Order: sequence, then structure tokens, then C-alpha cells
Amino acid sequence: GNSVTQMEGPVTLSEEAFLTINCTYTATGYPSLFWYVQYPGEGLQLLLKATKADDKGSNKGFEATYRKETTSFHLEKGSVQVSDSAVYFCALSERGNRDDKIIFGKGTRLHILP
Amino acid sequence: DTGVSQDPRHKITKRGQNVTFRCDPISEHNRLYWYRQTLGQGPEFLTYFQNEAQLEKSRLLSDRFSAERPKGSFSTLEIQRTEQGDSAMYLCASSQPGTSFREQYFGPGTRLTVT
Repeated sequence: GNSVTQMEGPVTLSEEAFLTINCTYTATGYPSLFWYVQYPGEGLQLLLKATKADDKGSNKGFEATYRKETTSFHLEKGSVQVSDSAVYFCALSERGNRDDKIIFGKGTRLHILP
Repeated sequence: DTGVSQDPRHKITKRGQNVTFRCDPISEHNRLYWYRQTLGQGPEFLTYFQNEAQLEKSRLLSDRFSAERPKGSFSTLEIQRTEQGDSAMYLCASSQPGTSFREQYFGPGTRLTVT
């Protein structure tokens, strides 16, 4: 079945450091890929998405590129801020499925130190 | 605030009791989803509605669970004879009509603790 595997946390970085959170997926079809973020005390929010191979999703300085050949969708940011501290979920949804259900990874908790 | 709302935010119950949660989606969103998130895990799909019709249920949704969306607006999720393993965050999401990508907007969740 479809699944998402992402690096375990917590990840602790200093402010302005470079961030990478690895994510790989298994899917039988042609999924859309997502990164969701959950800030403390808030609901899940869509951070960025990519719907086909080689697409790059970007938002708030975060980027991720849909790599079909390596089945990966790694999240990167060049210079993190304390306000980026949150839990990040890599996820997929199989295009063409009528239910649009999202399959999530386990999440990676990110701590940014000032 | 016109986001997805859920009520209650927290529920503590004793094993064997029944509980009911409510979700109010963003207005005009015709799809409504329920997910469950246990500690240290990502959310897992439970079920979804298109308008008032429940179109799919996960195998995670045992016979003790029932969800309704009677008028195609708010939805309720009931758990009968709760068990400790039901302790989790229950998330609701909604999305608007469309033939292409339909972003799901999530509510803040209802945290259930079964003692």
C-alpha cells in the first residue's frame, strides 16, 4: 500500500541554520505530495505541495522537489527562524482517487534555538 | 474566524462510556474528513463525506465508531463503549468542490483521553 517515511526527530538547530527533513514515499500510482506543518496549539496547515514529477513546491522560504526517480520529497530551508519550531508532516494523496484521503508520515519535530 | 471548528477540544471519559464529537466545516465545503492521530504518529484517515453521503470508511473504523453528516453541513463522530486504545486526537478537515486539487483545511482537533 501507499506509505510515507520521514526522518525521525526531534531535530534541533540554531537560528539561521540550513534545514533538511528527508521524506520518501511508496505509491502505486502518481501521487500528489505535501508538507504539512503543525505549530504548537494549532491545527495542521498545508505548507507546500507538488502534484507531478519535478515540480517544486515552495512557501515561507521552504522548498521541496518531487523526485520520482528517488521517490523523495525532502523539505529544505536555507535559514531557519525560531518561529519555524513545529512538527512537520510529509504526506501524499493518490491522484485520481475519489476520496482524496491523505496518507501522512509520522512527523518530525523541529526545535530552533535562538 | 471561518475555519473548521471542532467541539469539544478536550474530552476525558471512563472506559465503557460513549462519546460524541462535533465538527463544523468551512461553509460551502462539500467534503468532510475525519482522521485520528495517536501520540508520535501522523494522522490516519478514518472516513469522509461528500455532502451527506458517507463514501468511504477505513478499516480503522470499528463497529463502535459511527459518523454522520445529516444535512451535509456539520458532522458528528460517536464512539461507543470507549476503550483505552481510543485515546487520540480526532481531526476533522473539509474541502471545497473541484475537479483538481482540493486542499483539505484542518480543525484544531478533539483530544480524547479514556481512563
